[in-house]
Amino acid sequence: EVQVLESGGGLVQPGGSLRLSCAASGFSFSSYWMTWVRQAPGKGLEWVANIKGDGSEENYMDSVKGRFTISRDNAKNSVYLQMTTLRVEDTAVYYCARDWNWSVGNWGQGTLAIVSS
Amino acid sequence: QSALTQPRSMSGSPGQSVTISCTGTSSDVGAYNYVSWYQQHPGKAPKLMIYYVSQRPSGVPDRFSASKSGNTASLTISGLQAEDEADYYCCSYAGRYTNWVFGGGTKLTVL
Repeated sequence: EVQVLESGGGLVQPGGSLRLSCAASGFSFSSYWMTWVRQAPGKGLEWVANIKGDGSEENYMDSVKGRFTISRDNAKNSVYLQMTTLRVEDTAVYYCARDWNWSVGNWGQGTLAIVSS
Repeated sequence: QSALTQPRSMSGSPGQSVTISCTGTSSDVGAYNYVSWYQQHPGKAPKLMIYYVSQRPSGVPDRFSASKSGNTASLTISGLQAEDEADYYCCSYAGRYTNWVFGGGTKLTVL
């Protein structure tokens, strides 16, 4: 069974940093793109970033370019989202997911990041 | 990266059919057959319902169907059931630089 489990969310001040982690199991991790999607409180889904199976390619939404970095450790079946220079508008539940057939196939339960002073 | 356009809310009675639209542009929905749909119940993670425009993952009831015409994709739910009450989001690939774009979501109420 495919499982994805996020961790690392919490409360941080504007301008601060946070590192989200995502542990995956139940599939050949290095064969799949992995994605982060976020959802601000009461708002819709927003694609944030993804990374190729071998880590050779990364993509980001415009508003996080230069501030967020996605990475993965295939030996640990884990993907990470390093978030720096955080803004109030980055407050959201962050979902980690496995890409599947050009879709976001398997989602974790999410981890909440709150940026507030 | 503009969101795809969905109706904010829709409703239907049990047993009826509803169709949720998702309008994009010739750079996303109109350009690629990589349209997917997600169902999200309150407080839960989204669930993939449709991929490749019209394909259902195993376990998704065949009451859920989808299609695309031009820049607009559609999700149809037939024989509405109480458990279909949820938020629904469309998503499309939008090319190498924009990557992925979601719709704003549609809140479906089963009356």
